[in-house]
Order: sequence, then C-alpha cells, then structure tokens
Amino acid sequence: DAKTTQPNSMESNEEEPVHLPCNHSTISGTDYIHWYRQLPSQGPEYVIHGLTSNVNNRMASLAIAEDRKSSTLILHRATLRDAAVYYCILRDLEGGTSYGKLTFGQGTILTVHP
Amino acid sequence: DTEVTQTPKHLVMGMTNKKSLKCEQHMGHRAMYWYKQKAKKPPELMFVYSYEKLSINESVPSRFSPECPNSSLLNLHLHALQPEDSALYLCASTGLAGGAYEQYFGPGTRLTVT
Repeated sequence: DAKTTQPNSMESNEEEPVHLPCNHSTISGTDYIHWYRQLPSQGPEYVIHGLTSNVNNRMASLAIAEDRKSSTLILHRATLRDAAVYYCILRDLEGGTSYGKLTFGQGTILTVHP
Repeated sequence: DTEVTQTPKHLVMGMTNKKSLKCEQHMGHRAMYWYKQKAKKPPELMFVYSYEKLSINESVPSRFSPECPNSSLLNLHLHALQPEDSALYLCASTGLAGGAYEQYFGPGTRLTVT
C-alpha cells in the first residue's frame, strides 16, 4: 500500500484557515487521495477526495500538487467542531476490485482554540 | 438515508462468552467493512464483503467470524476473545458505482473483554 505522512498534530484558532499537509511520494497513477476525519467518540467521516485536480466541497478544499506527491486539506474557517483527527489516505484498488480499501495512517490531531 | 447503524453501542463480555455485533445500512451499498480501532490508534481493516461474499480477510484470528446474511446486514460473531481484543469495532459501507467510493462509517461498538 502506498503510504502517507502527516504531522502528528496542528493547532488553529477559531475562524482562521487551516492547512493540513500530507506527503505521499509513492502514490501510483490510479490512487485517489482521500481525507477522512474522526471526531471524538465517533466513527470516521468522509471529508473530500481527489485524483489530480483541486477539489472543493461544502466541508473543505483539497489542493493536490502537480506531481501528486503531496496534498493539502484546507478548512477555510475552522470552528470548534472541526477539532478531530484528520486522516489522509490513498485509496488502493485492491486486487483490481471496484471498491478498494482504505489503509489509515496515524493522522493529524487538529486542536482548535476559541 | 446515509446512515450506518451499529448495535450494541457498548458490550462487555467474558473470555468464554459468545456475542455478536450487528451493522446495518440501507443505502444500497454492496461493499461492507469491519475495522478494529484501539485507543489513540487509527482504524485497522479486518474484513471486506463485496456482494455478500467475503473478499478480504486481513489475517484476523478465527475467534472473529464475520457474516453477511444480506446486502443490508453485516454481523461479527465473537467467541473466546482475549482482553487485548477490547477495542472500538467500526462498520463501514461503500457503493460500487464508479468514482471515489467514499466509505460511510457507523458510530462503532465499544467492546470490553474481561
């Protein structure tokens, strides 16, 4: 499985933007970059995904480097509710199956200060 | 309905007990997953079912026995567990139509083995 590297922790203030980096230097051409987050005492929650182009949705933006060896999850205005562990994952098309599997790394613990 | 439900929320069992965890989704997803998450660690994949057939078993001990009786239900049967099996057990599902296959996670069952 291609691996990802994230900082162990980051801090932000409420209503400020947050940029969460992820390195994935061994990414293959067919790997999608997924981000999930896990709030305390909850299951992981899908945030966003991308392949080559930058992506935006109602939760966040995903900026993907041109060589695809790194990406950044952008929360435009952090709220206290965004405090969570953020996982950057490369979705692996296991054995050519159509559903793939997710291999979680250690993730980044995001702390948001009021 | 984009919800994955899991029952029970909490379970305490002795090492000689037999118990089952239940997961249900009504999103028409045909891939379902079991993950195990120890405290302060990322989720680890245990099993994947695709179209009600076991597709991936990540070398999980036989004291964990998965079952997929239909396309909406996923069970995890537990027998002769060890205290180190205490963890949060997460269920997830994903659609198999093209695209990113975002996984929807349930809230988990917190298992304590005494």
